[in-house]
Amino acid sequence: GAVVSQHPSWVICKSGTSVKIECRSLDFQATTMFWYRQFPKQSLMLMATSNEGSKATYEQGVEKDKFLINHASLTLSTLTVTSAHPEDSSFYICSARDLNLAPYSNQPQHFGDGTRLSIL
Amino acid sequence: KQEVTQIPAALSVPEGENLVLNCSFTDSAIYNLQWFRQDPGKGLTSLLLIQSSQREQTSGRLNASLDKSSGRSTLYIAASQPGDSATYLCAVQGNTPLVFGKGTRLSVIA
Repeated sequence: GAVVSQHPSWVICKSGTSVKIECRSLDFQATTMFWYRQFPKQSLMLMATSNEGSKATYEQGVEKDKFLINHASLTLSTLTVTSAHPEDSSFYICSARDLNLAPYSNQPQHFGDGTRLSIL
Repeated sequence: KQEVTQIPAALSVPEGENLVLNCSFTDSAIYNLQWFRQDPGKGLTSLLLIQSSQREQTSGRLNASLDKSSGRSTLYIAASQPGDSATYLCAVQGNTPLVFGKGTRLSVIA
């Protein structure tokens, strides 16, 4: 089955540090990847849609200068939390759909295992 | 804007009981609906996916139904076990990426 690998799974760092999270589709290609954030005991909220070779689309209220997204290839998207502060502590999870299955819009999203980010 | 609601927010049952989790969504123009399981501090495990043209899907002790016109889905868990304890998330996919409900936190007591 389709596998999405997310790294790191857990990171603790000091306030002001920038943190990069990688999301890879291991056995399929994805022109689009999705980044979600989950606060404790809350649901997953879509932050942004990452588009291969072009700019990401951010949801309302998400600061694009703080959450930098790069989707340089059909199998890799990265999310960089710049100058992270304690309020950015959360669970970040990415997902992707297989580009080569049709109809694309009907294909399930495959999820990584998530990254738990703790900012001290 | 699509909104997904899950009821109840939390549920505690004794081992062996059959139970039903409910999910409702406001926009019936969906492609599919998925049920996920999430263990504390972990990622998502996909349980069942129902395409918009389908009425139900089954996997082992799990059965999910979909009534697209009324914007409702149920997840039925038969003969619950302590290992079923987790948060169950419902998510719908339309012309946007998956939209999630807040989940039902299930505890199965041995």
